[in-house]
Amino acid sequence: AQKVTQAQTEISVVEKEDVTLDCVYETRDTTYYLFWYKQPPSGELVFLIRRNSFDEQNEISGRYSWNFQKSTSSFNFTITASQVVDSAVYFCALSEERDSGNTPLVFGKGTRLSVIA
Amino acid sequence: ETGVTQTPRHLVMGMTNKKSLKCEQHLGHNAMYWYKQSAKKPLELMFVYSLEERVENNSVPSRFSPECPNSSHLFLHLHTLQPEDSALYLCASSQPGRRGDYNEQFFGPGTRLTVL
Repeated sequence: AQKVTQAQTEISVVEKEDVTLDCVYETRDTTYYLFWYKQPPSGELVFLIRRNSFDEQNEISGRYSWNFQKSTSSFNFTITASQVVDSAVYFCALSEERDSGNTPLVFGKGTRLSVIA
Repeated sequence: ETGVTQTPRHLVMGMTNKKSLKCEQHLGHNAMYWYKQSAKKPLELMFVYSLEERVENNSVPSRFSPECPNSSHLFLHLHTLQPEDSALYLCASSQPGRRGDYNEQFFGPGTRLTVL
């Protein structure tokens, strides 16, 4: 069975600090996909990144970076020099490969990040 | 309109009412999804439609009835709901690729439902 655990329920940081959001997943499949979404107060989930299980390269996009480690089943997300606009709930999600081609996502419970000016 | 839109954004209904939530995607995708997000539980997948055919139904009570008349529209018909059904209902769409080529889902802003 697939499962995503985000152990950090809430995190508060002061602006310009770096912050890492943890994500640990469980799956029996060898082919799977990991995602991060951001949910600002407006409610809409905004896609940030997708990573497939065969690509363990870390990725950097501006102030965002992701560390994928299959050995520890983790897909952590780091925001460098955080800003107030980063305040949101962040969700990690997992999907397993299906013949149908659909991508039902299993989400973690989310981490609420508050960046204080 | 662009992306995924949902109407209404807010809905208050009594337990005996019948209402419908509407989702429309303008992305040319052929898969659509309903999720429920409540304060107590993480995002829960309710239904998946692919090419207008329901392919997943995650043990959702029959008081929730989805309808997908075409690949751009998805409805969630509600009747005799309970107060515990109060939640944010999110619609999403995606363009499933070939096996091994999965695309991300794009979400609408959600409908905040309150059942009195």
